[in-house]
Amino acid sequence: EAQVTQNPRYLITVTGKKLTVTCSQNMNHEYMSWYRQDPGLGLRQIYYSMNVEVTDKGDVPEGYKVSRKEKRNFPLILESPSPNQTSLYFCASSLWSNQPQHFGDGTRLSIL
Amino acid sequence: AQSVAQPEDQVNVAEGNPLTVKCTYSVSGNPYLFWYVQYPNRGLQFLLKYITGDNLVKGSYGFEAEFNKSQTSFHLKKPSALVSDSALYFCAVRPTNNAGNMLTFGGGTRLMVKP
Repeated sequence: EAQVTQNPRYLITVTGKKLTVTCSQNMNHEYMSWYRQDPGLGLRQIYYSMNVEVTDKGDVPEGYKVSRKEKRNFPLILESPSPNQTSLYFCASSLWSNQPQHFGDGTRLSIL
Repeated sequence: AQSVAQPEDQVNVAEGNPLTVKCTYSVSGNPYLFWYVQYPNRGLQFLLKYITGDNLVKGSYGFEAEFNKSQTSFHLKKPSALVSDSALYFCAVRPTNNAGNMLTFGGGTRLMVKP
């Protein structure tokens, strides 16, 4: 089954404790992206990757890091999380950058 | 900078009636336009897209959208709403000349279909 898998689905943690949200896709897609969803703001793009070792900033990259060492994986790293990063996060992938994206089921992060 | 506006936070419609969810956009050059739907506790699902060609685009689950370049709009429509259509709907845009794919979403519109 074609899918984008995120882990964990839920995480409660404390300010400053580094965390990683993993994202993996099994569709051999070139393009992957991370979004955060906040009420009334829709989805805002954090980072995206056009291919292995190619990443770029989206609208709200501050406080986040990503890496793309393999085509299938695109982890999101919060080196020093803060409460304003409490949000619902989605990973997405598509074959090319202008194609519809497949989304994971989301990761709800709470930073206390 | 590109932007998307979904002017209605919520749209209420009776089952069997036609529905419209509005979207207007601002982008440099020609747009790629998308509609996605989100059900509770799930990621977004693709409904339809406009790349080029016919202004009326047909998508999944009986939905369609009309691209209007002069009004910079891409409203989502369905002739007869179902209770199961109740969900959160997002419009998204990216310019065709942006190789980096900065995809911008609207704030979302909650559709409530009542029996």
